[in-house]
Amino acid sequence: NAGVTQTPKFRVLKTGQSMTLLCAQDMNHEYMYWYRQDPGMGLRLIHYSVGEGTTAKGEVPDGYNVSRLKKQNFLLGLESAAPSQTSVYFCASLGMGSEKLFFGSGTQLSVL
Amino acid sequence: DAKTTQPPSMDCAEGRAANLPCNHSTISGNEYVYWYRQIHSQGPQYIIHGLKNNETNEMASLIITEDRKSSTLILPHATLRDTAVYYCIVRVAGGNAGNMLTFGGGTRLMVKP
Repeated sequence: NAGVTQTPKFRVLKTGQSMTLLCAQDMNHEYMYWYRQDPGMGLRLIHYSVGEGTTAKGEVPDGYNVSRLKKQNFLLGLESAAPSQTSVYFCASLGMGSEKLFFGSGTQLSVL
Repeated sequence: DAKTTQPPSMDCAEGRAANLPCNHSTISGNEYVYWYRQIHSQGPQYIIHGLKNNETNEMASLIITEDRKSSTLILPHATLRDTAVYYCIVRVAGGNAGNMLTFGGGTRLMVKP
């Protein structure tokens, strides 16, 4: 199993540009999450989803939108990128009844 | 969720046991203790979790004090590949899946030859 796959791995944007980060999991997990991690800091929850077609805000949702049209995919969108969104983005998934969160390898995003 | 306090960094000699402490003095009766680690900016990796009994798996052991106000993660024979940031987290199991793990600063463990 591939587990949790994030694409792209690296991206450089100019201020004001838009982009979408894709997270895909092949474990049939119900719950999916997007975190961001700034240098030297812990992870902060951006948005999450408890099932297909549902999304909710986390700790730092401003400037981001998400969609979960298919159970296996969780998309994170930046409509108008800002330098403050320069960070490493991690996607994670969790199976129902499990306490073990699985993470992707991350997307390093730089906004100039 | 209860907050945790961990030392910012620790060293350990290769082959020796690494004992990583975590203080969670405000933990509630229904909150579990979770440990994750993050190796060189990869995605965090689950290690172990427990409620009040000591737990052991193929990666580590978790020792929780009787009053549950602190715990210790033990890597019995540390290797260079165990060099990572270790996060101790407490939260209610299950419940609102969106109110997920809150990662603080963690402990940066450096395993030295």
